[in-house]
Amino acid sequence: QVQLVQSGAEVKKPGAAVKVSCKASGYTFSNFGIHWVRQAPGQGPEWMGWISAYNGNANYAQKLQDRVTMTTDTSTNTAYMEVRSLRSDDTAVYYCARAYRPLQYPLDYWGQGTLVTVSS
Amino acid sequence: EIVLTQSPGTLSLSPGERVTLSCRASQSVSNSYLAWHQQKRGQAPRLLIYAASSRATGIPDRFSGSGSGTDFTLTISRLEPEDFAVYFCQQYGSSPYTFGQGTKLEIK
Repeated sequence: QVQLVQSGAEVKKPGAAVKVSCKASGYTFSNFGIHWVRQAPGQGPEWMGWISAYNGNANYAQKLQDRVTMTTDTSTNTAYMEVRSLRSDDTAVYYCARAYRPLQYPLDYWGQGTLVTVSS
Repeated sequence: EIVLTQSPGTLSLSPGERVTLSCRASQSVSNSYLAWHQQKRGQAPRLLIYAASSRATGIPDRFSGSGSGTDFTLTISRLEPEDFAVYFCQQYGSSPYTFGQGTKLEIK
């Protein structure tokens, strides 16, 4: 069965960086892409971007594109998402989710989420 | 970007009741590329409905979706205890993907 297993919770200081991993199993990793979505406390989800596991092409939400990098490692079927220059409003649960293509295909499986807390 | 507005924010209901949740878009959702996801505390979200009205794999038929353009609904015909959760809508027809704020179903 399809599973996306994310890395554990992180606590970071403002200005630091965090890298979250998402290990996929149960399907051919390179046939799909991975979206990253975050949800701050008490708010709705926010789309961060998408990366193709086939060729590594990525596109990012405009407000985050200067601070976010998404990558994949097809040898371990793992996607990564790094946020730099962390601020307090980056505190959120970060999710990875699978989709066949960047548009017009739903997010059909989600990871369990990774809580990132930014605090001095 | 397309803004999705869900209503109501919270609903208090009893098992066995029927419920309809609303999701309204600020502009037309391309090809009805609208999904509904269920989110339980501490768990991964789960895709329920895609393309406005198609049930995802393994989703019980008490869940149904409808709508087009800017107005969409999710109906649960008969609430089971495990259905008390947060439901959010999401459009995936245009970039950036956007989500509603969610509707929480709580037990009365």
